[in-house]
Amino acid sequence: SQQGEEDPQALSIQEGENATMNCSYKTSINNLQWYRQNSGRGLVHLILIRSNEREKHSGRLRVTLDTSKKSSSLLITASRAADTASYFCATVSVDTGRRALTFGSGTRLQVQP
Amino acid sequence: ETGVTQSPTHLIKTRGQQVTLRCSSQSGHNTVSWYQQALGQGPQFIFQYYREEENGRGNFPPRFSGLQFPNYSSELNVNALELDDSALYLCASSALGGRVGNEQFFGPGTRLTVL
Repeated sequence: SQQGEEDPQALSIQEGENATMNCSYKTSINNLQWYRQNSGRGLVHLILIRSNEREKHSGRLRVTLDTSKKSSSLLITASRAADTASYFCATVSVDTGRRALTFGSGTRLQVQP
Repeated sequence: ETGVTQSPTHLIKTRGQQVTLRCSSQSGHNTVSWYQQALGQGPQFIFQYYREEENGRGNFPPRFSGLQFPNYSSELNVNALELDDSALYLCASSALGGRVGNEQFFGPGTRLTVL
């Protein structure tokens, strides 16, 4: 079963705008990761934030984590057409013995040139 | 350093048949995990292999089975295929000895269609 939900399910923006997607999860986590998937192919790791961190940056990506609300957000600044993809959050939890990633349902991002 | 590879890329089977999917882990990675991704959904954890043994399993029936070989490559076998088994099957490797602490490295996936 999916760990949680992502919001919005789909997002369409213009090149240069910022894109924000949100993720909620259900259990206590060790860390939360964001992945990108192009056209139903393999996933690429973008960024990881640990449960004791609140914010992390990597290039044009900014991730926040609120463990009290069991939620995270991914911000992509100054978006490009090449950012068009599906984005998934995935959690690593003690419940699974830290053996599995539990994915959300994903946000499909379309960046119009 | 080679990445994670999977074969075949696409596969079409009929209901009731059996299928074997293959994965070669990234160089130096000793842990392989398999995920099933239905159309429009996020991936779901099937199982993980470490030291040639199953090291964790998601909510999948026993007709989903696997193997890991001494070179850390892995196979996913699915018996008695059902229409709902149609999905993208993803393999991921990591080097943390049975734990998922940091990023997983995913292969390109095998698209299985069951008719």
